[in-house]
Amino acid sequence: KAGVTQTPRYLIKTRGQQVTLSCSPISGHRSVSWYQQTPGQGLQFLFEYFSETQRNKGNFPGRFSGRQFSNSRSEMNVSTLELGDSALYLCASSTGTSGTTQETQYFGPGTRLLVL
Amino acid sequence: SQQGEEDPQALSIQEGENATMNCSYKTSINNLQWYRQNSGRGLVHLILIRSNEREKHSGRLRVTLDTSKKSSSLLITASRAADTASYFCATGYRLTFGTGTRLQVTL
Repeated sequence: KAGVTQTPRYLIKTRGQQVTLSCSPISGHRSVSWYQQTPGQGLQFLFEYFSETQRNKGNFPGRFSGRQFSNSRSEMNVSTLELGDSALYLCASSTGTSGTTQETQYFGPGTRLLVL
Repeated sequence: SQQGEEDPQALSIQEGENATMNCSYKTSINNLQWYRQNSGRGLVHLILIRSNEREKHSGRLRVTLDTSKKSSSLLITASRAADTASYFCATGYRLTFGTGTRLQVTL
């Protein structure tokens, strides 16, 4: 099976712009979660989508949003970019069928976003 | 916010030696996972240990869990240069990660 893929791998934007990142989960996985990794805050959960619905949400401002399509592919969008949004954005997929029980999540290689 | 701390923050050993890293967490858990991250890339799942397990092995990895102390340890035996990476523990359905241990294995 192909792993989790993320596009683009690298991105440079300027403050005030918006950005859309894409994630394709492992075939058959219906849950996609997004994480932000920065040197200062470490790895932080953004949100999770399951069957096209946001099932869980982290503590991030409304500028961070996401969606999931019927084929389980997911996108996240960050509007009005700030310098502090520079980070590695990771998505992870899992079957999602265990509800709120922890299960193994498989991560993609990440998208590195630099905001100038 | 971080669930807890990994200790040490950085560890440098020679190839062939064992590496031990510890993780503490704050809340009750159903299970705990360890992940590896190579140089700012994606995370690779290493092992999951359930709250009713005390020890688990996978190849050269040995994980222990002490729920009374809210702590876990990861032991990598006979380390290799390819083990050089950051190691994170994570808990919860919405994975909450520790701060990570940066392991450097030198030849």
